[in-house]
Amino acid sequence: TQLLEQSPQFLSIQEGENLTVYCNSSSVFSSLQWYRQEPGEGPVLLVTVVTGGEVKKLKRLTFQFGDARKDSSLHITAAQPGDTGLYLCAGHGGAQKLVFGQGTRLTINP
Amino acid sequence: DAGITQSPRYKITETGRQVTLMCHQTWSHSYMFWYRQDLGHGLRLIYYSAAADITDKGEVPDGYVVSRSKTENFPLTLESATRSQTSVYFCASSGRGLNNSPLHFGNGTRLTVT
Repeated sequence: TQLLEQSPQFLSIQEGENLTVYCNSSSVFSSLQWYRQEPGEGPVLLVTVVTGGEVKKLKRLTFQFGDARKDSSLHITAAQPGDTGLYLCAGHGGAQKLVFGQGTRLTINP
Repeated sequence: DAGITQSPRYKITETGRQVTLMCHQTWSHSYMFWYRQDLGHGLRLIYYSAAADITDKGEVPDGYVVSRSKTENFPLTLESATRSQTSVYFCASSGRGLNNSPLHFGNGTRLTVT
């Protein structure tokens, strides 16, 4: 069974601080996706990383796929209250199966 | 409006009753999925469908039934609801499957089984 462990599960920081969320597994994934979910809504795809070592940037968000394609990280620079939400990583484990992490609930305090 | 819509948004039912959650998408996407989201478990795949009349089990299919007679609709039925099926259910679609296209989620149905 493929599992993805996200850490931390909860994170509350002040506006302007930096943070990193981790997504780890013992399994290799062909790609890894990061989603953000607002209360009462479905997850929205932020980025897909495919190649080991790949780094993608989305404004103040930096996503990295591990060299062995088993782990990933999301780094947010100068966090803003609008970054508050639930962040989910999901690994593509083959066919039509996405393995989701438990999520990181991020709160940015003004 | 184009997109993926789920109904109802909230549902309370009693143990043992049958309940159907609806999902409709206007993109003509081939692939549709049902997930449940529970604290501590993230999102888990219940069933998915690659096209009309083609369905396949996901990680947690027991107690659920799906059908896909039309491309745009993918209803999920709980034949005899149990308290363990209290959850938030998300429908999603993908144009060409997870290998080639992103997943688009609806806004979910919060189901409570009493």
